[in-house]
Amino acid sequence: QKEVEQNSGPLSVPEGAIASLNCTYSDRVSQSFFWYRQYSGKSPELIMSIYSNGDKEDGRFTAQLNKASQYVSLLIRDSQPSDSATYLCAVKENTGFQKLVFGTGTRLLVSP
Amino acid sequence: AAGVIQSPRHLIKEKRETATLKCYPISRHDTVYWYQQGPGQDPQFLISFYEKMQSDKGSIPDRFSAQQFSDYHSELNMSSLELGDSALYFCASSFRGPNEKLFFGSGTQLSVL
Repeated sequence: QKEVEQNSGPLSVPEGAIASLNCTYSDRVSQSFFWYRQYSGKSPELIMSIYSNGDKEDGRFTAQLNKASQYVSLLIRDSQPSDSATYLCAVKENTGFQKLVFGTGTRLLVSP
Repeated sequence: AAGVIQSPRHLIKEKRETATLKCYPISRHDTVYWYQQGPGQDPQFLISFYEKMQSDKGSIPDRFSAQQFSDYHSELNMSSLELGDSALYFCASSFRGPNEKLFFGSGTQLSVL
């Protein structure tokens, strides 16, 4: 079983709608959680980080973390066609020098 | 501020050749990570360095080696290249701490023919 699981999609939403992206992880000691956006052939771009349970909002993006359920999500409000990309969930331990482990990503398609 | 710089952007090699990829981290970042991403795959961790010492090792083949130099730039050396090594290679840098965030370079697209 992969350490970080995401639905590969594609997730299709119309412009202006809310896109909801989900991620589950298996390692209970994971402490840092990230969402990266990646356009085809480009590098991952950090869009959100979250470290404690609850919601964290930044503009049109809201990250939600539930450590008891080992679940992290990303909501994108007022989705735009330019949001069409692959969204990678990544988790990291805070103990020692731990690598960032990525999920396989969810492809989001926002139609005009 | 300048981001993570990687060179070259594209590299074409033949089987059994060697390749060297370079990474220049963000100023004052003390940690460098190397990732490999195949087509349609998620980034796979290869190796990381903290303060010029190897800090963690992932699925890096024995044919690959890496180091971090005194100016904090890092190089990934790849020998006896195989067709399966064709991928995007990303370098990321960070400043180690409780809320460490990784920032990625634009990557090097390696094609092995």
